[in-house]
Amino acid sequence: DSGVTQTPKHLITATGQRVTLRCSPRSGDLSVYWYQQSLDQGLQFLIQYYNGEERAKGNILERFSAQQFPDLHSELNLSSLELGDSALYFCASSKQAGGYEKLFFGSGTQLSVL
Amino acid sequence: DQQVKQNSPSLSVQEGRISILNCDYTNSMFDYFLWYKKYPAEGPTFLISISSIKDKNEDGRFTVFLNKSAKHLSLHIVPSQPGDSAVYFCAASSEDTGNQFYFGTGTSLTVIP
Repeated sequence: DSGVTQTPKHLITATGQRVTLRCSPRSGDLSVYWYQQSLDQGLQFLIQYYNGEERAKGNILERFSAQQFPDLHSELNLSSLELGDSALYFCASSKQAGGYEKLFFGSGTQLSVL
Repeated sequence: DQQVKQNSPSLSVQEGRISILNCDYTNSMFDYFLWYKKYPAEGPTFLISISSIKDKNEDGRFTVFLNKSAKHLSLHIVPSQPGDSAVYFCAASSEDTGNQFYFGTGTSLTVIP
């Protein structure tokens, strides 16, 4: 158990809808990362928050947004969903924000857009 | 733009033999490299790391080798065990790349009993 909690584990929705994925980092970790893993793809970095502030942005679509709350949990909002958004979404956390941290991953949210 | 590449999607090895997983990167600014292991229905878990000031790091049965001039790293597992069957991801980062971790596409290792 990595200590990172993601909910829900599975999500099935229709095109055009909006969903929210939730992540609770490990106790004491200030940094949260969101990754997307599509079929046969590596983990694509979406966005990173550190202590409530956006720290780094990757290939995140404009239809997607995220935030980190004062209690350090994070939410990833996906809107106007398309079939191609179907993927496994991982959240990871680390103590600090640097590029030399070990990331601890949650077990992911499997999103299916029908 | 895939800055970290794992060109072998899968690898099968007999139990007790050596498993060698390879990873190539294109960005010479990367100076910290990690390997993660992922079982089905679980998130990736950290396995071993190496910084660019070293060319080898060992942890039990796992050894990572770094060849900076070739922009190549490899993970050696000796001896391989059936429980090592998983997907292995390599990742790279540096402070200069905005603290982002770049992951490869993964290699699925099967250790045959």
